[in-house]
Amino acid sequence: DAGVIQSPRHEVTEMGQEVTLRCKPISGHDYLFWYRQTMMRGLELLIYFNNNVPIDDSGMPEDRFSAKMPNASFSTLKIQPSEPRDSAVYFCASSPRTGVSYEQYFGPGTRLTVT
Amino acid sequence: RKEVEQDPGPFNVPEGATVAFNCTYSNSASQSFFWYRQDCRKEPKLLMSVYSSGNEDGRFTAQLNRASQYISLLIRDSKLSDSATYLCVVFNAGNNRKLIWGLGTSLAVNP
Repeated sequence: DAGVIQSPRHEVTEMGQEVTLRCKPISGHDYLFWYRQTMMRGLELLIYFNNNVPIDDSGMPEDRFSAKMPNASFSTLKIQPSEPRDSAVYFCASSPRTGVSYEQYFGPGTRLTVT
Repeated sequence: RKEVEQDPGPFNVPEGATVAFNCTYSNSASQSFFWYRQDCRKEPKLLMSVYSSGNEDGRFTAQLNRASQYISLLIRDSKLSDSATYLCVVFNAGNNRKLIWGLGTSLAVNP
């Protein structure tokens, strides 16, 4: 079975441009998570969905960030307009459930550079 | 104070050595605990869950001390392939059901 798929793997863009990151979770997983990882702040949860519904978006930095999950097999994270401080690795993860036995499966990440 | 704190390291050890990492958490209501491993420029992957009674998986042993609010990971007979960053993760069902991640401890096993 394929793991979590993310695209693009690398993105270089100029400040002010719109960036769209894509994620396909593992089939049958009910939860989808978007994370951002930097050296200084580590892994930060931006937003997560349960059955395509956003549950907690308190980690979304500001209005420039938005995420959607139109169906169970696809999600996007959009940054508009992008800024240099958005440069980071963005991971998408999915999980079959949330509970005591809890494993999140991560995609390979999108390395975003904003110049 | 961060909710989950780890010594960033790096820990540099020779092959065959035993190395231990600690992680402290601030929320006493935390319920579940995990260690994830992240190789350089790769995604995190679950290494092991941490149970109250402690648990072992081959060369890896995880312990939980609720009274002192810390978890530990012990690696015995370390291999070159153990070189990675080890992330301490805490789950609190009351915290809107989110995982809280430590910044990680870097381990380099040298030949």
